[in-house]
Amino acid sequence: EVQLVEAGGGLVQPGGSLRLSCAASGFTFSSYWMSWVRQAPGKGLEWVATISQQGGQKYIVDSVNGRFSVSRDNAKNSLFLQMNGLRPEDTAVFYCALLESAPGGYFKNWGRGTLVAVST
Amino acid sequence: SYVLTQPPSVSVAPGETANITCEGDNIGIKNVHWYQQRPGQAPVVVVYYDFDRPSGISERFSGSNSGNTATLTVTRVEAGDEGDYYCQVWVRSGDWVFGGGTTLTV
Repeated sequence: EVQLVEAGGGLVQPGGSLRLSCAASGFTFSSYWMSWVRQAPGKGLEWVATISQQGGQKYIVDSVNGRFSVSRDNAKNSLFLQMNGLRPEDTAVFYCALLESAPGGYFKNWGRGTLVAVST
Repeated sequence: SYVLTQPPSVSVAPGETANITCEGDNIGIKNVHWYQQRPGQAPVVVVYYDFDRPSGISERFSGSNSGNTATLTVTRVEAGDEGDYYCQVWVRSGDWVFGGGTTLTV
């Protein structure tokens, strides 16, 4: 059974940093592109970042480009999202997702999400 | 950037059919995927590649895609189908797009 478990969320002040992680199990992690998708409170889904199997291709949504970066450690079956320069509008639940048939495929499996709150 | 437009809400009576639309410029040539998100839960894919259904998803869920509109159809709607539904397409590498979401009320 595929499991994706996010961690690292919390309350941070504007301008601060957080590093989210996603622990993957139940599938061959190194064979799949992985993504981060966020959802602001009461709002819809927004794609944030995607990384290819070996990390050679990385994509970040324009609104966070230059502040967020995506990485992975295939030896540890882990996905990461480094978030710097956080702003109140970054407040959201961040989901880790497996991208099936990448890059043009769909988000086949999702974690339960981790909440990031940016506030004074 | 590519925009997907969904109605904010759809309301149907139990046992009726719900049609949730997703409009986009020439969306018929793209692959459309649909996600269900029940309150307080993570999204779950219910239809992918326009009309395919994952194992474990009820056959009451189906999809179509043509022209400028993709549609998710839920037949014999049940109370458990309530939630938010999102369409999604891949535009190009670096551009995965979600619709704004539709709340289905039964």
